Amino acid sequence: EVQLVESGGTVVPPGGSLTLSCAAAGFAFEENTIHWVRQAPGKGLEWVAYINWNSEETLYADAVKGRFTVSRHNNLNLAYLEMTRLRTEDAGRYFCAKDTQWTIDSWGQGTPVAVSS
Amino acid sequence: ALTQPASVSGSPGQSITISCTGGRNDVGRFKFVSWYQQHPGKAPKLIIYNVDARPSGISYRFSGSKSGNTAFLTISGLRAEDDGHYYCNSYTSTYIWVFGGGTKVTVL
Repeated sequence: EVQLVESGGTVVPPGGSLTLSCAAAGFAFEENTIHWVRQAPGKGLEWVAYINWNSEETLYADAVKGRFTVSRHNNLNLAYLEMTRLRTEDAGRYFCAKDTQWTIDSWGQGTPVAVSS
Repeated sequence: ALTQPASVSGSPGQSITISCTGGRNDVGRFKFVSWYQQHPGKAPKLIIYNVDARPSGISYRFSGSKSGNTAFLTISGLRAEDDGHYYCNSYTSTYIWVFGGGTKVTVL
């Protein structure tokens, strides 16, 4: 069974930094693309970032480009989302998700991020 | 972002259809259109991928289609457990993914 468990969400002041982690199990992590998707409170889903299987390709939504960095450690079955210069509009639940053939097919439960002074 | 109706409702047993309108650089161009169901406080769940394919374990009551720049999700034989939010998603020609704003389905 595919398992994705996010962690690291907390309260951060505007302008601050935070790194989220995603622990994967139940599938060949080293062969799969990982996405990060967020959801502001009471709002819809917003695609944030993508990292391919060997970290050679990363993609970002315009809203986070230059501030967020996605990475992974295949030997540890972990993916990361480093977030810097956080803004109030970055608050929400952050999900990591597995990709199969350009489809986001399995999701974690998410970790909450609040941006507040 | 892709455009979805804010809400759709139907009675048990009826069929409803949710639209997802994009453009020629996303929905109109690629087969990589998917649909997700989300219940309050839960993670999204994939119910349709590649426009009209159903993952293993997903009810036949869920079906997908596409015409031009618009994709559609049809739920037939509406049940109480279908109540929730539904989101479409598409790969785009600028190498990113976009979601629709979401549709609240209410089973009356």
